[in-house]
Amino acid sequence: NAGVTQTPKFRVLKTGQSMTLLCAQDMNHEYMYWYRQDPGMGLRLIHYSVGEGTTAKGEVPDGYNVSRLKKQNFLLGLESAAPSQTSVYFCASSYSESGGVPQANEQFFGPGTRLTVL
Amino acid sequence: GESVGLHLPTLSVQEGDNSIINCAYSNSASDYFIWYKQESGKGPQFIIDIRSNMDKRQGQRVTVLLNKTVKHLSLQIAATQPGDSAVYFCAEKSNFGNEKLTFGTGTRLTIIP
Repeated sequence: NAGVTQTPKFRVLKTGQSMTLLCAQDMNHEYMYWYRQDPGMGLRLIHYSVGEGTTAKGEVPDGYNVSRLKKQNFLLGLESAAPSQTSVYFCASSYSESGGVPQANEQFFGPGTRLTVL
Repeated sequence: GESVGLHLPTLSVQEGDNSIINCAYSNSASDYFIWYKQESGKGPQFIIDIRSNMDKRQGQRVTVLLNKTVKHLSLQIAATQPGDSAVYFCAEKSNFGNEKLTFGTGTRLTIIP
C-alpha cells in the first residue's frame, strides 16, 4: 500500500494563477481532509469530506475549493492564488464510524505539498 | 473558541533521558486525543492516542497521560534516541459524528547526543 500520496511535492505560482493539488489514498478510507501548515500555527483544516461526492468547510476554507468525485481522491483547488496561501499543504484520510462507534480515529497523512505564491 | 495549546514550544533532552511534552486543551467536550510526530519535510505520523475514559495509555517507549480535571495532556518518551528529534503535536476530537481534529501548535524536541 502506498498510503496517502500527494502531487505535486513543490510548486511556485504567481499571484492570480490557479492550480489543483491531488491527494490519493489506497486504504479505502471514507474520510479525507486538507490542511495547511504555517510556521507557529500548527495544522489548520481547510476542507474535508466524509464520503464520495460530499465536502464540507473546515476552519480556513476561503480561497479554496475541493472535490471528491472518487472515494480514493480528494482535490484541492486554488482559483486565484494569493501570497497568503504560501504554505505547506497536507492531505489526510481516516476510517469512518460504524453503528455510531468510530472504527478508528487515526488520520493518515501524506508527505505534503510545499506551495509558494509570489 | 476551542483551542489546543502547548506549554513549551521547544525542548532539548540528552540522549537516553526521558522527555515529557505537555499540551493543554480547552474543549471539555473533547473525548479523544492523539499525539503526532512530524519529522522535517514529512507529514505527521501517529504515535499514540487516548480516549477520555482513560487517564493513561502506554505504547512502545511512549506513554500518554490525560488529566481531564485540568484539561491537560502529556506525552512521555522514555530513553530518548536521536530519531525522536521532531515536532510533536497533540490533537483533540469531539465525538459528535465527525472526524475533525483540532491540532496544537507543536513542540520541537531536540535530542542532544
